[in-house]
Amino acid sequence: EVQLVESGGALVQPGGSLKLSCAASGFTFSGSAMHWVRQASGKGLEWVGRIRSKANSYATAYAASVKGRFTISRDDSKNTAYLQMNSLKTEDTAVYYCTRPNERDAFDIWGQGTMVTVS
Amino acid sequence: QSALTQPASVSGSPGQSITISCTGTSSDVGNYNLVSWYQQYPGEAPKLMIYEGSKRPSGTSNRFSGSKSGNTASLTISGLQAEDEADYYCCSYVGSGTWVFGGGTKLTVL
Repeated sequence: EVQLVESGGALVQPGGSLKLSCAASGFTFSGSAMHWVRQASGKGLEWVGRIRSKANSYATAYAASVKGRFTISRDDSKNTAYLQMNSLKTEDTAVYYCTRPNERDAFDIWGQGTMVTVS
Repeated sequence: QSALTQPASVSGSPGQSITISCTGTSSDVGNYNLVSWYQQYPGEAPKLMIYEGSKRPSGTSNRFSGSKSGNTASLTISGLQAEDEADYYCCSYVGSGTWVFGGGTKLTVL
């Protein structure tokens, strides 16, 4: 079964740090880019960033709202992607989803999300 | 990058058709054939409904269709059913490896 499972969400103080994980199974993780998307309570989806595969030099890209504070990485040996969040702000409070794009760059697989509260 | 513009809400009666618009710019929606649409129920993760503007993944009902004209993409749901009541989001590639979502549209089936 193709699956993504996020973990690591927690309550953290402003200015603090947190690292989220996204464990993948059921597909060739090493060949896939991985994205992070977040959603504040009652609000819309916000693209956070992505990391490409080794074949694409693990290139990363970020939304302007998190650039310089958040870092996406991956460990292909563990089939896991990570989102390191530093200098957290109250406005970073959200459910964080990891998602896999299909071959046409649409997000076809999503995790269940993990809650991050900055307060 | 500003969010794509979607109407906050749309509504329709069972059996009717509705269309949700998604307006961007010549730098995103108008420049790439990479608009996708997602359906989200409360408390659940989004689900891909349309990709590359008009293509349906396997399992997506043919009642859902997508199109694009200039800087505006659209999602049309025909033969509206109660189960279609959900939030819908568009998403577009913006360039330089970045993406942007629309603000979301709440669909109410009357």
